[in-house]
Amino acid sequence: DIQMTQSPSSLSASVGDRVTITCRASQNISSYLNWYQQKPGRAPKILIYGASSLQSGVPSRFSGSGSGTDFTLTISSLQPEDFATYYCQQSYSTPGFGGGTKVEIK
Amino acid sequence: QVQLVESGGGVVQPGRSLRLSCAASGFTFSNYGMHWVRQAPGKGLEWVAVIWYDGSNKYYADSVKGRFTISRDNSKNTLYLLMNSLRAEDTAMYYCAREDPLALFGELYTALDYWGQGTLVTVSS
Repeated sequence: DIQMTQSPSSLSASVGDRVTITCRASQNISSYLNWYQQKPGRAPKILIYGASSLQSGVPSRFSGSGSGTDFTLTISSLQPEDFATYYCQQSYSTPGFGGGTKVEIK
Repeated sequence: QVQLVESGGGVVQPGRSLRLSCAASGFTFSNYGMHWVRQAPGKGLEWVAVIWYDGSNKYYADSVKGRFTISRDNSKNTLYLLMNSLRAEDTAMYYCAREDPLALFGELYTALDYWGQGTLVTVSS
């Protein structure tokens, strides 16, 4: 099985900050990497698929990059509605999620 | 609009069985692969199982293999998860999710683009 490791597990940031979350796969997954946002009590929401393609309707402040084993989710200017937990997920084989990164208000 | 509505959760004793359902509407259900994903209280997301659009292939997480069975009835637009030999560690919110195939630069990617609201399963004596 492919293991997905996210870092950090949590971070504190202020509105307007640039935030970067990393995800590492245990083997080469090319660009088969998705990012999701989950708010408390809600189902996850797809943000980015194929490592860097923004899902329709997702604000352009979200971006993804990387290929192979190392990936990044960047929020260019954090907004109040972005405080949530973010998960990476590989779709190269049977799906697997990273452990999540909780973005909290500083 | 696309809707996925789970049902069938509840409190069940260890060793017993439970069947979850996911009613789909707003899209052609028989065209899409479907997944179950669970989340233990206060924990992260754990993928559980997938079934192809026509039911021809099914795959499971090691943690549930041999105990859980995913199935679908395309005539009823409904996805199922039969859970046998339940354990305390199966306690979680269970979500169904649609797998969307996305073509990008000549490659086919998949993502879980629509999710239900979840149904809570509690395994406790």
